Amino acid sequence: AQSVTQPDIHITVSEGASLELRCNYSYGATPYLFWYVQSPGQGLQLLLKYFSGDTLVQGIKGFEAEFKRSQSSFNLRKPSVHWSDAAEYFCAVAPPGGGNKLTFGTGTQLKVEL
Amino acid sequence: DVKVTQSSRYLVKRTGEKVFLECVQDMDHENMFWYRQDPGLGLRLIYFSYDVKMKEKGDIPEGYSVSREKKERFSLILESASTNQTSMYLCASIYGSEAFFGQGTRLTVV
Repeated sequence: AQSVTQPDIHITVSEGASLELRCNYSYGATPYLFWYVQSPGQGLQLLLKYFSGDTLVQGIKGFEAEFKRSQSSFNLRKPSVHWSDAAEYFCAVAPPGGGNKLTFGTGTQLKVEL
Repeated sequence: DVKVTQSSRYLVKRTGEKVFLECVQDMDHENMFWYRQDPGLGLRLIYFSYDVKMKEKGDIPEGYSVSREKKERFSLILESASTNQTSMYLCASIYGSEAFFGQGTRLTVV
């Protein structure tokens, strides 16, 4: 069965520092890959997605993610974190070819120190 | 912009009550999903629907049912609420594998 692992439950970074959130997946083939962000008390918002092609994808709010097939990873990065980035981040996968059933990781809570 | 609206942000219900959580989307999407979110467990799929009057069980359907009488509306039903159903419930409308979420309903069962 497919699964998504986010090994870091909590991460704290200083404002202005770089950020990397880890995501590993287990799937029979390369799935569609997503990162979502959830601000306190809100639903989830899509940051970026990877279907195929260029393995470095750009998203909203200055985020990017790199797909590495050899490592089954899709890590999220941001060069300089802002205090407003404090939120919970979820990695998700969907079946290759466009299936609609998403499987989510357990999330990483990001805290930003001023 | 796609809008997914959940009828309540917060609900408090008593054990044994029948609870209805409503979700409406305005983009004519066929696919709608209900998740519950718990700390340390992420989002777990309860039920989903690919079309009107159609439903499929997700990973944790026990204790829940759903109704999809109209394309834009997908309701989650707790037949007899229990304290272990205290959680955040998230509705999503999905198109092209991209999910659009409502703001969530935080349900407390006492």
